[in-house]
Amino acid sequence: NAGVTQTPKFRVLKTGQSMTLLCAQDMNHEYMYWYRQDPGMGLRLIHYSVGEGTTAKGEVPDGYNVSRLKKQNFLLGLESAAPSQTSVYFCASRGGWETQYFGPGTRLLVL
Amino acid sequence: GNSVTQMEGPVTLSEEAFLTINCTYTATGYPSLFWYVQYPGEGLQLLLKATKADDKGSNKGFEATYRKETTSFHLEKGSVQVSDSAVYFCALTNPIQGAQKLVFGQGTRLTINP
Repeated sequence: NAGVTQTPKFRVLKTGQSMTLLCAQDMNHEYMYWYRQDPGMGLRLIHYSVGEGTTAKGEVPDGYNVSRLKKQNFLLGLESAAPSQTSVYFCASRGGWETQYFGPGTRLLVL
Repeated sequence: GNSVTQMEGPVTLSEEAFLTINCTYTATGYPSLFWYVQYPGEGLQLLLKATKADDKGSNKGFEATYRKETTSFHLEKGSVQVSDSAVYFCALTNPIQGAQKLVFGQGTRLTINP
């Protein structure tokens, strides 16, 4: 039982490049979330999903897209990366009324 | 809307000192309150939670009491250890909003010196 895993752990992009962050969970959870963490601002919700095939916008969705084609995976895409998207990205999952479980994070640097 | 405010950090203490990290919240209805901890290089882990007024959450010697009258959820520990050095986040979820979306405070970095 690996919990929540994220790929990659670290990535450097140039402005305008695209990439996809992968989140996988093996707990059969319905809910999945993508957050970004910036210094002095805590974590902010980007997008979330309440089940396979569903997605919804969070607090800071601009510049990101997501997909939940399989229940266990939640993908976060950056179509045209900008320096303002330099951050640490965390994925989380939750089942029912349980706690959210977080992945180890992906550190992204956009030059 | 919903928001969480934590005391400014960083906080530096000596081992065995008493710890308090203040947290206050703004929310309509009856939110659930959480403390998460992030150790260096890791993701967030749930430390404790409380789901209704006057509930006390506790774990690993840490405690926090849900005070609706003061809209607070302060984190306390009687005797801190070097291993408690981490960033601590206060957070809430509000059932009114659905999907149990977490709203976080800005985090408080705690350093414990031996």
